[in-house]
Amino acid sequence: NAGVTQTPKFQVLKTGQSMTLQCAQDMNHEYMSWYRQDPGMGLRLIHYSVGAGITDQGEVPNGYNVSRSTTEDFPLRLLSAAPSQTSVYFCASSYRTSGQGVYEQFFGPGTRLTVL
Amino acid sequence: RKEVEQDPGPFNVPEGATVAFNCTYSNSASQSFFWYRQDCRKEPKLLMSVYSSGNEDGRFTAQLNRASQYISLLIRDSKLSDSATYLCVVNTWEGLTGGGNKLTFGTGTQLKVEL
Repeated sequence: NAGVTQTPKFQVLKTGQSMTLQCAQDMNHEYMSWYRQDPGMGLRLIHYSVGAGITDQGEVPNGYNVSRSTTEDFPLRLLSAAPSQTSVYFCASSYRTSGQGVYEQFFGPGTRLTVL
Repeated sequence: RKEVEQDPGPFNVPEGATVAFNCTYSNSASQSFFWYRQDCRKEPKLLMSVYSSGNEDGRFTAQLNRASQYISLLIRDSKLSDSATYLCVVNTWEGLTGGGNKLTFGTGTQLKVEL
């Protein structure tokens, strides 16, 4: 199993450009999410999905879109990149969330994004 | 007050030492707790869950104090390979209309184990 994969590993964008960060998992996990990690701020949830066709906003969703057409894939789209979106982006998946409990989160290796 | 607070460190300790980290959380309704490990420029990985009765996994011991709203991680006989950042993660159930389970990550405590 490859686990959670992310592409690209590194990306430099100019302000206003758009791009898609790819995330895929081969563990048949229902729950997938996107986080950004910035110095001194911890991981913050951008968007998440509890299954194919279902997505919802997290703590910091502005400027990002997601879709979940298959169980395996959960791409994150930056609509019009801004310098404030310079960050490390992690995709994560878990078996599911079950009522008032969570399962182990498996993270991808991350995408380091710089917006000039 | 931050929802989850950790001392950023770094904690510099010699090999073989015992070191402990604390993490405080603000929401008394939080229900489950975890320690994740993150190596430099890598993704976080689950180290251990924290159970109410406390739990141990080899050289690692996790404790939960609900009355004082903190969790702790104790590492005995530190190894060079333990050098990493340790993230405290707290789960709070916000209800079906409130988004369900909410995971809040601390900013991490950096540990450096030296010869």
